[in-house]
Amino acid sequence: QSALTQPPSASGSLGQSVTISCTGTSNDVGGYDYVSWYQQHPGKAPKLVIYEVTKRPSGVPDRFSGSKSDNTASLTVSGLQAEDEVDYYCSSYAGSNNWVFGGGTKLTVL
Amino acid sequence: QVQLQESGPGLVKPSQTLSLTCTVSGGSISSGTYYWSWIRQPAGKGLEWIGRVFTTGSTNYTPSLKSRVTISVDTSKNLFSLKLSSVTAADTAMYYCARGPGADRGFAFDIWGQGTMVTVSS
Repeated sequence: QSALTQPPSASGSLGQSVTISCTGTSNDVGGYDYVSWYQQHPGKAPKLVIYEVTKRPSGVPDRFSGSKSDNTASLTVSGLQAEDEVDYYCSSYAGSNNWVFGGGTKLTVL
Repeated sequence: QVQLQESGPGLVKPSQTLSLTCTVSGGSISSGTYYWSWIRQPAGKGLEWIGRVFTTGSTNYTPSLKSRVTISVDTSKNLFSLKLSSVTAADTAMYYCARGPGADRGFAFDIWGQGTMVTVSS
């Protein structure tokens, strides 16, 4: 059981947008603006795509965006491309020098 | 650019200690104000943060593993290490080392090693 709750799967059509949710509590997601998102291709290490809720590292397309409302953070992928069909994980600071992750969401591009 | 590489035994017997090393290349482990972490992922499951170490040797661990984990740093060799004692089958996972989380990157993990698979079995 992961600390943060993500839907196991999400889907969207090519060129459209999809939003993946990440639900925690006021002790993690809701309490700090330190939510990050990771993209993981099969058999590969995760790659950071969003940090501090909304910021994108250099080199990450602006099709990836993040937001947060209360205890739920969201990752939106716009202009879906076939290469976006991989797994996504959220993470949050949980206080007391502890970090937690979500269980992951498999994105399908229709 | 900075790269991380995990190394260590791929098979550990139950009740023994799992030991892994993460070698940092392309930069000094002591530069900046970076923390260095271990994260694991059982097959087909989510990620779990294990703990982090600062270049001073200061550490933080996730509460559920704190009693069994030791993370250390060797700045002279540009590497940091993980020891997990009294392992069981539940500790079987892909183990990743990563840079972060620290204030310089919004408390995120910005660089990851490729991972090393560890199986706990007799």
